[in-house]
Amino acid sequence: GESVGLHLPTLSVQEGDNSIINCAYSNSASDYFIWYKQESGKGPQFIIDIRSNMDKRQGQRVTVLLNKTVKHLSLQIAATQPGDSAVYFCAENISGGTSYGKLTFGQGTILTVHP
Amino acid sequence: GAVVSQHPSRVICKSGTSVKIECRSLDFQATTMFWYRQFPKQSLMLMATSNEGSKATYEQGVEKDKFLINHASLTLSTLTVTSAHPEDSSFYICSARDQWQGRGYTFGSGTRLTVV
Repeated sequence: GESVGLHLPTLSVQEGDNSIINCAYSNSASDYFIWYKQESGKGPQFIIDIRSNMDKRQGQRVTVLLNKTVKHLSLQIAATQPGDSAVYFCAENISGGTSYGKLTFGQGTILTVHP
Repeated sequence: GAVVSQHPSRVICKSGTSVKIECRSLDFQATTMFWYRQFPKQSLMLMATSNEGSKATYEQGVEKDKFLINHASLTLSTLTVTSAHPEDSSFYICSARDQWQGRGYTFGSGTRLTVV
C-alpha cells in the first residue's frame, strides 16, 4: 500500500498486479498533464500525457485519468513488472500567459515492484 | 525521436570554482530550454527558462548571478554554476521543447554536481 516516506510517498506491489499512482495538481488553470518515470541517476522519461479536454487516455499498459473537479490525476499501470520500479512524477502545464511552457512537477511516488 | 544530450553526467569541483553544464538538442531545434534542480528523494524544481537569443527567466528564489544561463543557439543551452558551494551539490536536469512539436518536452540525462 501507500506510505509517506521521508520525502516521497512509496507504493509497493507484486509483479503482475496493477498499480495506481495518484497526483494532486495545484493550478486549476493547468490544461496539459504529463506522467514521467525517473530511474535512479537519470532524467525523466515520458510515459503518457493528457489534455484538459479529456478525462481518460490509454497507452500501452498505462492509463491516465484526469478529474478536473478535484484537481486529481492518476496513472494506472497494468500487469506491473520489476522494470517498472522507479519514481513517477506528474507534471502540469499552462498553455498561456507568463507560465507558457513551464512544467511544474508534483511530489513523486516511489514504485517498487517485487518479483 | 527527439534527443537531448546533457554533459557532463557527473562532475566534482572544489568550493569556489565554477562549473558549466551543457544541454544540446541533437535532432531538433529548441527555442526554449528549461533547467531543473533535484535534491535526493525530492521532485524536480524549475530554476529557469532559457529562450534562444534572449535573457533567461529565473524562478523566484533562484540567483541569476550564481546560475548563469546562456542559450546562444537553437540547439545549445548552458548552465554555469558560479562560485560553487557544497549546498549547490545537486542533480541538474535540462529539458528542451521542439518548436515544431508544440508541447513536446524532452529531458537530458542529468548532471550530478558534487562540490567539495
